[in-house]
Amino acid sequence: AQKITQTQPGMFVQEKEAVTLDCTYDTSDPSYGLFWYKQPSSGEMIFLIYQGSYDQQNATEGRYSLNFQKARKSANLVISASQLGDSAMYFCAMREGLVNSGGYQKVTFGTGTKLQVIP
Amino acid sequence: DTGVSQDPRHKITKRGQNVTFRCDPISEHNRLYWYRQTLGQGPEFLTYFQNEAQLEKSRLLSDRFSAERPKGSFSTLEIQRTEQGDSAMYLCASSSGDRGQGETQYFGPGTRLLVL
Repeated sequence: AQKITQTQPGMFVQEKEAVTLDCTYDTSDPSYGLFWYKQPSSGEMIFLIYQGSYDQQNATEGRYSLNFQKARKSANLVISASQLGDSAMYFCAMREGLVNSGGYQKVTFGTGTKLQVIP
Repeated sequence: DTGVSQDPRHKITKRGQNVTFRCDPISEHNRLYWYRQTLGQGPEFLTYFQNEAQLEKSRLLSDRFSAERPKGSFSTLEIQRTEQGDSAMYLCASSSGDRGQGETQYFGPGTRLLVL
């Protein structure tokens, strides 16, 4: 089974509108972290937002918010007021296991969603 | 700029040649990761260092691949006898390892490798 599933290969959104990028995950570990990264055509992976499995509130960072639904194992990214510069690939990722428990806690990435913002 | 840096940004080589990439992590980060990314895919984990110790290697890392982090600062990834299938983006990331936000991996700009 896929650890991280992003079902939308591509999305279009009108400038200034909000858009939701879907991400579902699969883990039996009670301790995990969820991340979203943006990758423009230049190739650099840019960290956007983080959600810990024990966090009570949904994470927010400026125009980015993470809609964390633990029971459904979903961690959708919401981008408000889309801008032309938001056009990029977006990757959802998950870290399983306790941080600082020793050793490596594997981070798995999804296949990404290509977002295009239309003027 | 104190982010993760990688060198070179692009590399074109002929099949059979050796190549070496360098990664300089964020200075206070003790954890360093290498990933490979092919077109249309997310990054795939290759190897992980905590300080100078290489603690984890993926099965993707064949015998032709070797990584070092000799003083716990910068790291190198060497590919020997390159093959066309090695063509990919090689990404380096670092993290502080602290619980919570500190576990976030910050990525460098990557090295695009093309093997002819």
